[in-house]
Amino acid sequence: AQSVAQPEDQVNVAEGNPLTVKCTYSVSGNPYLFWYVQYPNRGLQFLLKYITGDNLVKGSYGFEAEFNKSQTSFHLKKPSALVSDSALYFCAVGFSGGYNKLIFGAGTRLAVHP
Amino acid sequence: NAGVTQTPKFRVLKTGQSMTLLCAQDMNHEYMYWYRQDPGMGLRLIHYSVGEGTTAKGEVPDGYNVSRLKKQNFLLGLESAAPSQTSVYFCASSSGTLVADTQYFGPGTRLTVL
Repeated sequence: AQSVAQPEDQVNVAEGNPLTVKCTYSVSGNPYLFWYVQYPNRGLQFLLKYITGDNLVKGSYGFEAEFNKSQTSFHLKKPSALVSDSALYFCAVGFSGGYNKLIFGAGTRLAVHP
Repeated sequence: NAGVTQTPKFRVLKTGQSMTLLCAQDMNHEYMYWYRQDPGMGLRLIHYSVGEGTTAKGEVPDGYNVSRLKKQNFLLGLESAAPSQTSVYFCASSSGTLVADTQYFGPGTRLTVL
């Protein structure tokens, strides 16, 4: 069965430090992986996605994600965190199930402290 | 270009009342989706549509109905609201049938059922 896991409910990081938000997946076939961010009282905003090709994917707001097939992971990273990055982050896996289907992880809350 | 919009932003219902949530998109997307977001559970798909005049059930369809009479609009109805339907509802759209297509989300509707 297709699934996505975000093992950390919350990640705390100091401003200026690098951040990592973890995501692991389980799919049959080729994975299509997405990261979304949700700011307070807002909808989900698309950050980046992995379809094929280079394992390092660059996205919006300076975020990037590394696809690791052997570890079935797609961790979100940023070299230098900003307080404004504080938000709820969702990893999702897409696959064909009669429609363009997304399975979401439970979300990880990122708190960046000044 | 407004993207995906949702009406209303907030609503409080009493048990047994009915209501309709409206989603509109101006991107000429074929696919539209309704999700609900509950704490610690990510997003779960309620219903979806692959084109004007078509609808189908997602993971958690019970207690909801949908209609897509126009390509740009996707309505979610609650015929007899229950406290278990207290949630944040998100509409999304995507351009087509590819699994790799990005879904774009509206700002959400926060519904409380008393």
